[in-house]
Amino acid sequence: GAGVSQSPRYKVAKRGQDVALRCDPISGHVSLFWYQQALGQGPEFLTYFQNEAQLDKSGLPSDRFFAERPEGSVSTLKIQRTQQEDSAVYLCASSFRTSGNRETQYFGPGTRLLVL
Amino acid sequence: GQQLNQSPQSMFIQEGEDVSMNCTSSSIFNTWLWYKQDPGEGPVLLIALYKAGELTSNGRLTAQFGITRKDSFLNISASIPSDVGIYFCAGNAGGTSYGKLTFGQGTILTVHP
Repeated sequence: GAGVSQSPRYKVAKRGQDVALRCDPISGHVSLFWYQQALGQGPEFLTYFQNEAQLDKSGLPSDRFFAERPEGSVSTLKIQRTQQEDSAVYLCASSFRTSGNRETQYFGPGTRLLVL
Repeated sequence: GQQLNQSPQSMFIQEGEDVSMNCTSSSIFNTWLWYKQDPGEGPVLLIALYKAGELTSNGRLTAQFGITRKDSFLNISASIPSDVGIYFCAGNAGGTSYGKLTFGQGTILTVHP
């Protein structure tokens, strides 16, 4: 079956440019997570959606980062006025039900963002 | 942000050797997970641990959830070339954490044929 898909797979942006990263979760999955993975590091939590509700955005590094999931399926992570420190892989993950400890998160392949 | 302390950072081994890596935290976690990430891909779940002291196997992989709930280890027996990749531990604090995962820095595994 189809897994989590993300687009674009690669994005090169000039400093100051706005970017939008898309995540298509597995159909029917209620929970959706965004993580940021810097080079040589593990993923770090950015934000969490339960259906269309954004229940936790504590990991967003600044107010330049904004995420939405308006219909409870596809999600978009937007970064305004990109900076070089935003260069990273942005991973999306989804799980079937609302979180619980035993819900497996399925990760997409990530979007590799390079800000010049 | 907070990350788990994972060691070693990298390992170079011969095919057929056993591998061991571990992860520690200053905080308690209710779930410990081990993921593998191949180049250009997202992490894939290998083993999930839900109870302190639990020992779980998945083929040649064995992982344990530490009694203190602050550590975990992963063993790979009889390594093969396709075991190459980056291995991450991850913890879930449970409660109101919504399944949010905290990851280690990763262990890069290289297997020489």
